Amino acid sequence: GQSLEQPSEVTAVEGAIVQINCTYQTSGFYGLSWYQQHDGGAPTFLSYNALDGLEETGRFSSFLSRSDSYGYLLLQELQMKDSASYFCAVRRGGQGGKLIFGQGTELSVKP
Amino acid sequence: DGGITQSPKYLFRKEGQNVTLSCEQNLNHDAMYWYRQDPGQGLRLIYYSQIVNDFQKGDIAEGYSVSREKKESFPLTVTSAQKNPTAFYLCASSPSGVGDEQYFGPGTRLTVT
Repeated sequence: GQSLEQPSEVTAVEGAIVQINCTYQTSGFYGLSWYQQHDGGAPTFLSYNALDGLEETGRFSSFLSRSDSYGYLLLQELQMKDSASYFCAVRRGGQGGKLIFGQGTELSVKP
Repeated sequence: DGGITQSPKYLFRKEGQNVTLSCEQNLNHDAMYWYRQDPGQGLRLIYYSQIVNDFQKGDIAEGYSVSREKKESFPLTVTSAQKNPTAFYLCASSPSGVGDEQYFGPGTRLTVT
């Protein structure tokens, strides 16, 4: 089967760094994506890793290790507005292939 | 402004009625998707379409139907055959060949009683 595992919730304080892990089991892996969703809102795309290593976009970074079937999202200099759910997703199939989403990690940022 | 619109934001229906959720995009994207999200859960794929006049079932297509007559539009019908239709429905689109970066609409929260 195909599945993704991520922690259900994480709590951190403003200004801190937090890491949200994602492990996956899937055939035909093409890349790992991360999405952010504020309560009741639309998910928004954060990052995509097709190759091993770290991708940095401002305060957010995403890492992938294909040999370990593992990735993480790193959020630095946490702000209250970062409180949201974060989903990892893997693509099945080739171009335009379907995404499978994890269950999501609810991040709470405390003052 | 380019984007995806879904209407209405909230929808209430009686059990046994079919209901159609609207999804329109002006991003000129070829691929469009419908997802269902239940409380505290991830997104599950209902149907997707990579090109006009073509669509495929996702993981939970039973009780749903779609059409893709225009590139801009991908309406979803929740039929009376869907056993648990109350959920948050999200529509998304992506440029052709790039399924990883999907752009989502604001969603429709459907309540069936």
